[in-house]
Amino acid sequence: DGGITQSPKYLFRKEGQNVTLSCEQNLNHDAMYWYRQDPGQGLRLIYYSQIVNDFQKGDIAEGYSVSREKKESFPLTVTSAQKNPTAFYLCASSAGGGAFEQYFGPGTRLTVT
Amino acid sequence: GESVGLHLPTLSVQEGDNSIINCAYSNSASDYFIWYKQESGKGPQFIIDIRSNMDKRQGQRVTVLLNKTVKHLSLQIAATQPGDSAVYFCAETVNDMRFGAGTRLTVKP
Repeated sequence: DGGITQSPKYLFRKEGQNVTLSCEQNLNHDAMYWYRQDPGQGLRLIYYSQIVNDFQKGDIAEGYSVSREKKESFPLTVTSAQKNPTAFYLCASSAGGGAFEQYFGPGTRLTVT
Repeated sequence: GESVGLHLPTLSVQEGDNSIINCAYSNSASDYFIWYKQESGKGPQFIIDIRSNMDKRQGQRVTVLLNKTVKHLSLQIAATQPGDSAVYFCAETVNDMRFGAGTRLTVKP
């Protein structure tokens, strides 16, 4: 059963703590992405990775960090430097090599108080 | 700058009617477009796509129309059902994918 999984679905943290969101895919996709979605707004790109051991900043990378040590995994760390971390976070993947369609995970809702 | 946008943030239709959701894009170099459906609390799901060398593509109960002259994309849903209630995003691709803010479709029984 191929797809993208994100865990956990809901995450609560205290202000000042770093938190890592998980994203795993078994679609053998080269490219993976992290988006942030705020109420009533579109998706904003945080980071993306087109290949293992390489990643690029998106439009709103400040306060976030990622790693891509394995093809199937692309964890996102929300650091204490992120001023407004409460949001819905979506991970996606695509086959790459000119195949642009992105497949999305179910999302993680992060609440920081 | 280049952007993807939508004409209306909300759309309410009667069950059984047809729905039309619109999207304007400004990057004339965009060559691939996707419509996604996002239900509350879930990730977006692919509905239908279209390449810039086409002006119409049909799926099951959905049709996407592309008018490159006015840079306009639309999604038509036939015989709208309560399960169609969701937010619909258009996305355009040049070198990467850019998403519109979305239109919330509400289907009244």
